[in-house]
Amino acid sequence: DAGVIQSPRHEVTEMGQEVTLRCKPISGHNSLFWYRQTMMRGLELLIYFNNNVPIDDSGMPEDRFSAKMPNASFSTLKIQPSEPRDSAVYFCASSTTANTGELFFGEGSRLTVL
Amino acid sequence: QKEVEQNSGPLSVPEGAIASLNCTYSDRGSQSFFWYRQYSGKSPELIMFIYSNGDKEDGRFTAQLNKASQYVSLLIRDSQPSDSATYLCAVESYIPTFGRGTSLIVHP
Repeated sequence: DAGVIQSPRHEVTEMGQEVTLRCKPISGHNSLFWYRQTMMRGLELLIYFNNNVPIDDSGMPEDRFSAKMPNASFSTLKIQPSEPRDSAVYFCASSTTANTGELFFGEGSRLTVL
Repeated sequence: QKEVEQNSGPLSVPEGAIASLNCTYSDRGSQSFFWYRQYSGKSPELIMFIYSNGDKEDGRFTAQLNKASQYVSLLIRDSQPSDSATYLCAVESYIPTFGRGTSLIVHP
């Protein structure tokens, strides 16, 4: 299997622009997580999907952030409008429901908002 | 608020020594415990998991869990320079919560 695939790997944008990050989980994994990592705050959970349904979005910072999982093989995280404080590495991870904590991470999307 | 605490380090050990990494957690309902390794500029990768009190060994790695003390640790025996990385502790009650990680430096 190719593992968790994220795109883009790097994104540089200007404040106010819309940003869309994409993720393809490992086939057969029915749990999908979006995390954000910064030096200041470490690895923070943004949202958790199980069987394509959002289960916990309490980590989504504010209404500017939204996430979707239209099918088992694709998820998006959207930021609109983006702000400099959104600059971070965004990781997507997947796992099976039986072993939720055994996460397989994608390579991450490094976002810089100018 | 579920918290997972780790000393940020860096922890510096000589090659061949034992590195000891520690983690405490606040949620007594936590049932699963994980150690991830993250090299600079890379994504975290799972190296160990432990579900029961006691020790679990896998090669040079030993995870130790004490639920009464809400404490989990990772021992790395015969440390190698290639072990230099940030080690993230993750605790799961229903979804994984990560600590901020401990930076380990193994010097030749």
